[in-house]
Amino acid sequence: QLQLQESGPGLVKPSETLSLTCAVSGDSISSSSNYWVWIRQPPGKGLEWIGSIYHTGSTYYNPSLKGRLSMSVDTSKNQFSLRLSSVTAADTAVYSCARHGYPVRVGFFDFWGQGILVTVSS
Amino acid sequence: QSVLTQPPSASGTPGQTVTISCSGSISNIGNNFVHWHQQLPGTAPKLLIYRNHQWPSGVPDRFSGSKSGTSASLAISGLRSEDEADYYCAAWDDTLRGWVFGGGTKLTVL
Repeated sequence: QLQLQESGPGLVKPSETLSLTCAVSGDSISSSSNYWVWIRQPPGKGLEWIGSIYHTGSTYYNPSLKGRLSMSVDTSKNQFSLRLSSVTAADTAVYSCARHGYPVRVGFFDFWGQGILVTVSS
Repeated sequence: QSVLTQPPSASGTPGQTVTISCSGSISNIGNNFVHWHQQLPGTAPKLLIYRNHQWPSGVPDRFSGSKSGTSASLAISGLRSEDEADYYCAAWDDTLRGWVFGGGTKLTVL
């Protein structure tokens, strides 16, 4: 059974960098069949796709976050990570990791982690 | 402002059929598949319908999806109290080269 577990600080100061990791169990992050994804949901609001990464390191990023966003994979630890720099209160959200199929145009988000609340505040 | 447009709310009584719409453009819904997710209160989203009208294992056929042109719909028949949730449509956008979501529709079972 696939499990995705997010981890990282629940509180980040404005202007600092938000860093999260998603540990994958029950599937290999090196699988050619999937992209690994970050999605966020501000409190009381809708879903926003952050970015997707393939095991080769190939990425798609949300254009609205490009320039602040970096994603990486660690195949040895079967996990992938998110770094979002220069955060503001607008980045406060539940951050979830998920999986979608390859190639992107025929894939879909078939499994989601439970999510972790990250608050940006001094 | 979401790229895909959904009504913010919908409602129905038990047993009724409710339909939720999702409107986009040629670069997303028009050229790509639409997928639907259900988010029960306090839980992670769950895949409900994929590739316009297909069911993941375990999803009852009371839920059905369709797509026409640049719009898609999710229909829920035989409405139950446990269907009360937020519903989101999603599609790949060729112009943005990324995933886009609808703003979500909060379904209330009266």
